[in-house]
Amino acid sequence: DQQVKQNSPSLSVQEGRISILNCDYTNSMFDYFLWYKKYPAEGPTFLISISSIKDKNEDGRFTVFLNKSAKHLSLHIVPSQPGDSAVYFCAARGIDNYGQNFVFGPGTRLSVLP
Amino acid sequence: GAGVSQSPSNKVTEKGKDVELRCDPISGHTALYWYRQSLGQGLEFLIYFQGNSAPDKSGLPSDRFSAERTGGSVSTLTIQRTQQEDSAVYLCASRDRLNTGELFFGEGSRLTVL
Repeated sequence: DQQVKQNSPSLSVQEGRISILNCDYTNSMFDYFLWYKKYPAEGPTFLISISSIKDKNEDGRFTVFLNKSAKHLSLHIVPSQPGDSAVYFCAARGIDNYGQNFVFGPGTRLSVLP
Repeated sequence: GAGVSQSPSNKVTEKGKDVELRCDPISGHTALYWYRQSLGQGLEFLIYFQGNSAPDKSGLPSDRFSAERTGGSVSTLTIQRTQQEDSAVYLCASRDRLNTGELFFGEGSRLTVL
């Protein structure tokens, strides 16, 4: 039972255009959401996050939108650059009996075409 | 180093052998997580340590998998009697308990079971 879903395994966009990566979650107790970027043969690196009390967070070319009622978040990259080509993971933080755990989605492979 | 360090970076072993994977988290980080990424799959949670509390082992796929964290720092993930389906990249991440939630990942240990 996937608690965090990324229904698009891959996405291709033209350089300079907007990339929109989507993520859906099922657990309403998640209180914090993160996006990670992963290049081949490297560990994931943190990109941007958003608290559940907000609906938007912006950092340069990257903006994350959260729609709590729909249990949906999205990452917008504008303008997209070839160096943005990577796998993007959506993650959600929940509280369990042990503390704070993080659940990751399956990832979306973004290809930015020059 | 300043980041999360994992060793070995690559490990090839024969089916049935035991392997140990090591993670050295960022100094001062109290939380440590193990994930694995099988080919074409997302990040699968394995185990989580928070300070001196009992670890959350709910993600370990079988009793062949175990992990320790000695002195609240270095962690070792042990896989006994390895099987071909254990082949994956094993990722370690750490987090500062004072941080709002970002995980810092190592580069991973790629395990291949022949």
